[in-house]
Amino acid sequence: QKEVEQNSGPLSVPEGAIASLNCTYSDRGSQSFFWYRQYSGKSPELIMFIYSNGDKEDGRFTAQLNKASQYVSLLIRDSQPSDSATYLCAPLSSNTGKLIFGQGTTLQVKP
Amino acid sequence: EPEVTQTPSHQVTQMGQEVILRCVPISNHLYFYWYRQILGQKVEFLVSFYNNEISEKSEIFDDQFSVERPDGSNFTLKIRSTKLEDSAMYFCASRRADNSPLHFGNGTRLTVT
Repeated sequence: QKEVEQNSGPLSVPEGAIASLNCTYSDRGSQSFFWYRQYSGKSPELIMFIYSNGDKEDGRFTAQLNKASQYVSLLIRDSQPSDSATYLCAPLSSNTGKLIFGQGTTLQVKP
Repeated sequence: EPEVTQTPSHQVTQMGQEVILRCVPISNHLYFYWYRQILGQKVEFLVSFYNNEISEKSEIFDDQFSVERPDGSNFTLKIRSTKLEDSAMYFCASRRADNSPLHFGNGTRLTVT
């Protein structure tokens, strides 16, 4: 089982729609979860983090966490073409403090 | 806003040569990392560094790799004898404390010919 699993996509949504990105992880001890956005050829950029079960909202972004299901998701409301990027899910390892990245989901927002 | 800075942005080297990739983490951060990303692949952990020593290293981080924090600000990754398969983007990252997010530098693109 991979440590972090994401659907590689591409996920294509029309401008203004909601984009839903999903991630599952294997380390039950992970307590902190991060979503990064990565444009092609650029470094990962932090967009959200969540520590507790439930939802956390920040502007157009909502992160959702369910530790029992080992599942974390990111919703992007009112998607814009500038949101087109690869979104990386990254749980923080419970033992070592390192971030473990998934393969990433490529999002395409079509005008 | 403070940021992690990496130099150079692009490094071209011949196979077998040594390279040093440089990073200046954010000043009040305590944990330092190197990750790499081969073109089209995922971001892979190489090594973490805390309290002036390596705290963890991956299988990728073999004897040809080393890290140093030679002074209070720089954090370097040395690759002793580069191979073609070392060609990748290398990202330095730092974080302030437990559970806080990692902040990434802009990366160094290493090309080994």
